[in-house]
Formats: sequence, C-alpha cells, structure tokens
Amino acid sequence: DGGITQSPKYLFRKEGQNVTLSCEQNLNHDAMYWYRQDPGQGLRLIYYSQIVNDFQKGDIAEGYSVSREKKESFPLTVTSAQKNPTAFYLCASSRGGPPYEQYFGPGTRLTVT
Amino acid sequence: EDQVTQSPEALRLQEGESSSLNCSYTVSGLRGLFWYRQDPGKGPEFLFTLYSAGEEKEKERLKATLTKKESFLHITAPKPEDSATYLCAVQNDYKLSFGAGTTVTVRA
Repeated sequence: DGGITQSPKYLFRKEGQNVTLSCEQNLNHDAMYWYRQDPGQGLRLIYYSQIVNDFQKGDIAEGYSVSREKKESFPLTVTSAQKNPTAFYLCASSRGGPPYEQYFGPGTRLTVT
Repeated sequence: EDQVTQSPEALRLQEGESSSLNCSYTVSGLRGLFWYRQDPGKGPEFLFTLYSAGEEKEKERLKATLTKKESFLHITAPKPEDSATYLCAVQNDYKLSFGAGTTVTVRA
C-alpha cells in the first residue's frame, strides 16, 4: 500500500535534548512538508522540500532542522532551541508544487518535559 | 499574508440534520482551496480540491462549493461516522495556509 509513515506515534523527551522525527513516503512524490498542530490553531508549516537535497523554511522554522538526502525520506529534528516543542507533528507529501493536494501521515505526538 | 477563517468552531448535529460549514479566505493568488477531514489523534485525510469560483465537488454526503471569498462544506443527512474536525486550506505558491477547523459532532 502506498502512503506516508511517521514514527514513533508518541515520543517523550526531557527538556534540552534534541529529537528526530521520522517521515517516509512510498508515493513517489517529489515534495514533502512538515507541519506543527497545536490545540485550537491551524496547521503551521515548519519546513518544506520540493526536491532532493533542497529545502526551504516555512513560517515557524526556528528551533527545527531537516534534511532531504533521499526522495522517500524527510526527517525533522526538534532542537533544544525550540522553546515550545510539545505538539502534534505532521508530515505530508505531494506530487509537486501547486495545485497538487498534499497527503498527510498519521502524525507524531511529541511531549517535552 | 494569507488568512483562513472557519466557522463555526464547533457544530453539534442530530443524525439526518443537514448543515453547512464556512471557510472564508484572503489570499494573494489562489492556486487551490482544499478540504480535509481529521479524526482525533490522526493525520488529516484529503477530501476535495476546488480551483475556481463556481466549482463544486461531491463525495457521499459531503459537497464543497467555492466563491471568490469563501467556501462551504455542506453535510447532507449526516451520520455519526461523519463526526470529525473539518479543515480548510488555501494554497498560494508552495504553502498551504490552514484554518483552525470546525469540529462536527453528529448524535444518533
């Protein structure tokens, strides 16, 4: 089955630690995205990548980093510089740029204490 | 800056009671308007894309329409399994701007 996988589903970390969230897709999509979702707010774009070895900052990139070494994979690292890292993180992919729709993975809930 | 506002925030319906959700938007160059369904603790599920004013799309009990300033998601004769949060998003360039969503609860 084609789709997007994110792991783990739940992640717990201590404050001050970096953590990497995994995102893999087998849809052969060129573009991949990372969003953050907080209660009562719309999804906010962290980073996006239109092609391998290239990525751009979204609206809230501070405290996050990404890499795109393979077409299928787009891992997100939440660094200790991110002030409020506890959130629901969603990875998405699309065939290309607009107007193609984005398809989302199941999400990773990160809790930092 | 692109803005998307969804109303109401929450909607409680009786099974079979039709209703509409609103998504109003301001965007400098609309490349597409998207509707998603999200169940608690899960990723959004794609429903529809609308590209131009006057366009309509249907899927089972859902129908999405688009004008130059807003979109409506009509739910006809809803069932309990239609309970979810419905998200609206507009695309400008490579970015999707999302509204906060409307949480729909359908009681049997």
